[in-house]
Amino acid sequence: QITLKESGPTLVKPTQTLTLTCTFSGFSLSTSGVGVGWIRQPPGKALEWLALIYWNDDKRYSPSLKSRLTITKDTSKNQVVLTMTNMDPVDTATYYCAHITIFGVVSNWFDPWGQGTLVTVSS
Amino acid sequence: EIVLTQSPATLSLSPGERATLSCRASQSVSSYLAWYQQKPGQAPRLLIYDASNRATGIPARFSGSGSGTDFTLTISSLEPEDFAVYYCQQRSNWPHTFGQGTKLEIK
Repeated sequence: QITLKESGPTLVKPTQTLTLTCTFSGFSLSTSGVGVGWIRQPPGKALEWLALIYWNDDKRYSPSLKSRLTITKDTSKNQVVLTMTNMDPVDTATYYCAHITIFGVVSNWFDPWGQGTLVTVSS
Repeated sequence: EIVLTQSPATLSLSPGERATLSCRASQSVSSYLAWYQQKPGQAPRLLIYDASNRATGIPARFSGSGSGTDFTLTISSLEPEDFAVYYCQQRSNWPHTFGQGTKLEIK
């Protein structure tokens, strides 16, 4: 069974850097074809695709946020870390991580997702 | 960046009725489209992938169709637990964008 859980601060100040950790079980990021992505959702609004990292360290970023985002993996800890610099109140959102695989029937779709973590940006 | 436009924004129906949700892409995404369901306070759940394939454990009343730029999610007979927000997503081009969602509410 694949599970993911996001962790990090619930409150950050404007201009600070946000660091979120996705800790997962039921799969390994050393396995060919596997990846973990990050998605966010401002309160009452739509989902926004942020970043994705694959087992081979291939990384993809949202073009609109690329200058502020960094995604890394720690295979030994079963963790993926997302950092976002220069936080602003508009970045207030629930941040989700999700599993993805490029092999198999359900190829390259987020399934399953973590429960999400709400991050508020306020002074 | 591919823009996905979902319609309607809100759909008000009664249990037992048929629901038809639309997702239109700003350019062709072939069949690389998925649908997710999100209930209040929960993470999204994958329903349909590659336009027409039901994910594991998804009831047969959910079906997806379409290719290119026009896609449809159909719920044949609404159950009380189906009232939620539905999002489409494409994986044809980076970034793998989402639509703005359709809220399916009880009439």
